[in-house]
Amino acid sequence: AQSVAQPEDQVNVAEGNPLTVKCTYSVSGNPYLFWYVQYPNRGLQFLLKYITGDNLVKGSYGFEAEFNKSQTSFHLKKPSALVSDSALYFCAVRGMDSSYKLIFGSGTRLLVRP
Amino acid sequence: DTEVTQTPKHLVMGMTNKKSLKCEQHMGHRAMYWYKQKAKKPPELMFVYSYEKLSINESVPSRFSPECPNSSLLNLHLHALQPEDSALYLCASSDSGTSGGGGADTQYFGPGTRLTVL
Repeated sequence: AQSVAQPEDQVNVAEGNPLTVKCTYSVSGNPYLFWYVQYPNRGLQFLLKYITGDNLVKGSYGFEAEFNKSQTSFHLKKPSALVSDSALYFCAVRGMDSSYKLIFGSGTRLLVRP
Repeated sequence: DTEVTQTPKHLVMGMTNKKSLKCEQHMGHRAMYWYKQKAKKPPELMFVYSYEKLSINESVPSRFSPECPNSSLLNLHLHALQPEDSALYLCASSDSGTSGGGGADTQYFGPGTRLTVL
């Protein structure tokens, strides 16, 4: 069965410091991995995705994610956090044998303090 | 442009009312989705339309009735809802409709409709 784990309910970081939001996955075959961000009372905004190729994926708003096949991880990173990055972040996976369904992690709340 | 629009933004309805949620996209996407999201939880897939045909129904109660009038529009008709149906309802679309938007296709989400059932 496919699954995604986001082990941290909340991540706290000071503005200007690097941030990491963790995600691990379990899927048969090669995965397609996604990160979305959700601001309060808003829909999900697509940040980036991994399909194949370079393990470091660059996305919107200065975010990037590193795919690690051996550790089955896809952690979201940003070199310098902004207060405006405070939001709820979801990791999602779709296996190559799952044609439509995104499996979402439980979400991680990022709080960036000034 | 990766915009998916949803109306209304907010909806309050009684348990005996009939209402509809609307979703629209003009990206030429052939797969469209309805999700339900409770506070601080991930979205839960409800329905998938592929090329205007219902492809997936995730065992959703019949008080929710989806409709896809054309490739740009998706409706969700609501009838006899329960208070526990109160949630944020999200619409999404993706490029490939051949298998319900699979593979590496990105799903783009609308802002959602906040539904409250009294």
